[in-house]
Amino acid sequence: GAVVSQHPSWVICKSGTSVKIECRSLDFQATTMFWYRQFPKQSLMLMATSNEGSKATYEQGVEKDKFLINHASLTLSTLTVTSAHPEDSSFYICSARSQGSGANVLTFGAGSRLTVL
Amino acid sequence: KNQVEQSPQSLIILEGKNCTLQCNYTVSPFSNLRWYKQDTGRGPVSLTIMTFSENTKSNGRYTATLDADTKQSSLHITASQLSDSASYICVVSLYNFNKFYFGSGTKLNVKP
Repeated sequence: GAVVSQHPSWVICKSGTSVKIECRSLDFQATTMFWYRQFPKQSLMLMATSNEGSKATYEQGVEKDKFLINHASLTLSTLTVTSAHPEDSSFYICSARSQGSGANVLTFGAGSRLTVL
Repeated sequence: KNQVEQSPQSLIILEGKNCTLQCNYTVSPFSNLRWYKQDTGRGPVSLTIMTFSENTKSNGRYTATLDADTKQSSLHITASQLSDSASYICVVSLYNFNKFYFGSGTKLNVKP
């Protein structure tokens, strides 16, 4: 079945630094990937839709200059949290869209826990 | 408006008991519905996926049902185990569109 790898699984950084999170589809090509953030005990919140070879589409209220998304290949999308601050500490999850038997399906990465000191 | 609603919001059951989680949707045109299990601090993992023509699908102790006419789905967990404690998320996708709609999840707590 489809597998999505997300790296790193956790990261601690100082305030003001930038952090990059990678999302890879291991056994399929994903023209579209999605990035979410999740605060404790809350639902997944879609941040942006990442399209291979084009600009990402951001959800309302998500700063595109703060959360840089690059989808340079059919198997890799990256999320860079720029000038991170403690309020950016959260659980970030990616998912990739694949097609099985003509149906759209989502496969999620294991998530990345970001802690900004 | 395309929406997915799950109930209950949270549920506590004793180990060994059965339970049923509900998902109602208004998403149209419908492509498929998927139930995911999300353990704390982990990404969601797929349990079942159902298309328009499927009524029931099982995955071990998990059985999902779909009524496309009433736009309702349920996830039944049999003989619950402590490891079933997690959030269960219902996701519905639009046909031919790159759009997925998420329910807010049901938090299940299985107690010994």
